Amino acid sequence: QVQLQESGPGLVKPSQTLSLTCIVSGVSVSSGSHYWNWIRQPAGKGLEWIGRIYTTGSTNYNPSLKSRVTIFLDRSKNQISLKVNSVTAADTALYFCARDLESAAGAFDYWGQGTQVTVS
Amino acid sequence: IVLTQSPATLSLSPGERATLSCRASQSVSNFLAWYQQKPGQAPRLLIYDTSNRATGIPARFSGSGSGTDFTLTISNLEPEDVAVYYCQQRYNWPPRVTFGQGTRLVIK
Repeated sequence: QVQLQESGPGLVKPSQTLSLTCIVSGVSVSSGSHYWNWIRQPAGKGLEWIGRIYTTGSTNYNPSLKSRVTIFLDRSKNQISLKVNSVTAADTALYFCARDLESAAGAFDYWGQGTQVTVS
Repeated sequence: IVLTQSPATLSLSPGERATLSCRASQSVSNFLAWYQQKPGQAPRLLIYDTSNRATGIPARFSGSGSGTDFTLTISNLEPEDVAVYYCQQRYNWPPRVTFGQGTRLVIK
C-alpha cells in the first residue's frame, strides 16, 4: 500500500529557507511512471500546486514559485524533498506531497496527511 | 487557466442530488478532475479526466462536461458527503496544474 508522510520544522523565520521531506512507503520513488508533487494550502483557502519531480529526477515548477523552489529525490531514503528559499508570511500553509496517476499525470491519487508550516 | 466553481456553498438534505459546477477560462479538453476534502484531511481524488471514477469511489459520484464547462453530480446525498469539493485541471501540463476555489457542501 502506497503511503506518503510529510515532515518539517513547523516554524520558519522570514527570509530563511523552508525544508520539507516526504517519506514514501509501498513503492519506490525511482521506479514506475509517476510524478511526485508538492501542493500547499493556506488555512481556510484553496490548493496551490508547487511543483513535481519524475522518477528520473526531472522537475517542473509553478511559474509563480519557480525562482524560490527546488524539489529533489533521495533514492537511498525513498523520499522526496522540497526547499523554498526566502520565505515570507505568504508561505504559511499546510504542505502536502502527492503522487499522480500513472495513466493521468497531474491527477493526484495518493496524498500525505500534510505538514503545517508557519513563517513567523 | 483559471477555474471558477459555483456555487460557493451548497446546502441540501440527505437523499437529494448535488450538482457542482466548474468553469475554465479556456478549454481544458477533458483534463478535469474533482477532489473531496473533509475537515482536517487531505484531498481525495474522486473523478479524473472528466468522468473516470478513481479507485474505490462509489457510483453516486459522477462527472461530465468538456471544454470549459464541467459538472460533478453526487446522487443520494449522505451525511458523510459534507466536505469542500475542488475541481482541478491538468491541461496545460506541463508546466502547471490549477485548482478551483472550492464548493462547500452542507447537509441539512
